[in-house]
Amino acid sequence: AQSVTQPDIHITVSEGASLELRCNYSYGATPYLFWYVQSPGQGLQLLLKYFSGDTLVQGIKGFEAEFKRSQSSFNLRKPSVHWSDAAEYFCAAKAGVTGGGNKLTFGTGTQLKVEL
Amino acid sequence: EAGVAQSPRYKIIEKRQSVAFWCNPISGHATLYWYQQILGQGPKLLIQFQNNGVVDDSQLPKDRFSAERLKGVDSTLKIQPAKLEDSAVYLCASSRSGRAYEQYFGPGTRLTVT
Repeated sequence: AQSVTQPDIHITVSEGASLELRCNYSYGATPYLFWYVQSPGQGLQLLLKYFSGDTLVQGIKGFEAEFKRSQSSFNLRKPSVHWSDAAEYFCAAKAGVTGGGNKLTFGTGTQLKVEL
Repeated sequence: EAGVAQSPRYKIIEKRQSVAFWCNPISGHATLYWYQQILGQGPKLLIQFQNNGVVDDSQLPKDRFSAERLKGVDSTLKIQPAKLEDSAVYLCASSRSGRAYEQYFGPGTRLTVT
């Protein structure tokens, strides 16, 4: 079955420190991959997406993610975290061109806390 | 460009009561999605519309949930009767036709069933 796994439920980092949020996927073929952020009381906002090509993708708010086929991973990174980055982060996947359906499958999310 | 609008933002009901949520997608977006997000979980797709037709409702509990998009614009999701396990945030999203990879989400409706 298609699935997305985010192993870390909670992560706490100090402001200014680097951040890496983990995401692993299980799909028959390489899916389209996404990272979303959800602030309290807000809807999900797309940070970045990967379809193909360059395995390092840049997103909004200084985030980037790296696709690693060998590890079935799509980890989100930021070199220096700001207090405003505190939120919940969701990794999601969708079957690619050769796959079927339009359904986005989400991971369970990682809650990021930033210590000042 | 206005975003996806949802109402109400919060709703508290007792079990066995009915409730309805409303969504107005971004203008020009033919595809509309309803997701259920239970606390501690990622959003789960309940139903997807393309204009006023249903594309995917495989995860919609049809014995109690219903949804419609009669004019291909705004949509209503209804639960009747509600159960305690329906407590969740209900998210509406929309996208341009054929661009399911670029969904825009509304702020959600937080439902508490007591």
